[in-house]
Amino acid sequence: GENVEQHPSTLSVQEGDSAVIKCTYSDSASNYFPWYKQELGKGPQLIIDIRSNVGEKKDQRIAVTLNKTAKHFSLHITETQPEDSAVYFCAASRVNRDDKIIFGKGTRLHILP
Amino acid sequence: KAGVTQTPRYLIKTRGQQVTLSCSPISGHRSVSWYQQTPGQGLQFLFEYFSETQRNKGNFPGRFSGRQFSNSRSEMNVSTLELGDSALYLCASSFGDRAGETQYFGPGTRLLVL
Repeated sequence: GENVEQHPSTLSVQEGDSAVIKCTYSDSASNYFPWYKQELGKGPQLIIDIRSNVGEKKDQRIAVTLNKTAKHFSLHITETQPEDSAVYFCAASRVNRDDKIIFGKGTRLHILP
Repeated sequence: KAGVTQTPRYLIKTRGQQVTLSCSPISGHRSVSWYQQTPGQGLQFLFEYFSETQRNKGNFPGRFSGRQFSNSRSEMNVSTLELGDSALYLCASSFGDRAGETQYFGPGTRLLVL
């Protein structure tokens, strides 16, 4: 079955710098890759997603890149701000009738003042 | 449009008791998934229901069970509670026509087993 590995588990960056979180997946048939942000006391919230027919997607300060050959995808946050401090989860799935989404174990991002 | 709601938000139980958690999906969503979240363990998938049928199941013991009603609302039940069941239980909903699609999470129910 699908396996998703996420690195690093903890990341500290200075406010204003960029943060990069990387994930690898095992199932080459996976075609949907969402990223979630979980703030303290809340459930995970979708922040950006990408499908396998696209190599990169951007939304303001957030971007996701996908390398299907290497089976890895990354989340890039530029000009980090204090409110970016949270736990981020990557996930992968084969969108069809039976497969569930598989999540990485999460990255705790600390934005340092 | 209202988001996913979960009740109760907090719960304290003792070992051996049972508990029922409730989830109301976003209007129009027919799939509900349940996850257990503990520190350092990420999101552990419990099960997914679609149109009142269990479509996927994780690797949890039979003490964990769920069901879905005709209005798509879902409940999960944990019987004979153990200390290790203390966790945040998250419910997520999606349109459901295809498994693996975008999921929208509720705020979770925090369960403490004493």
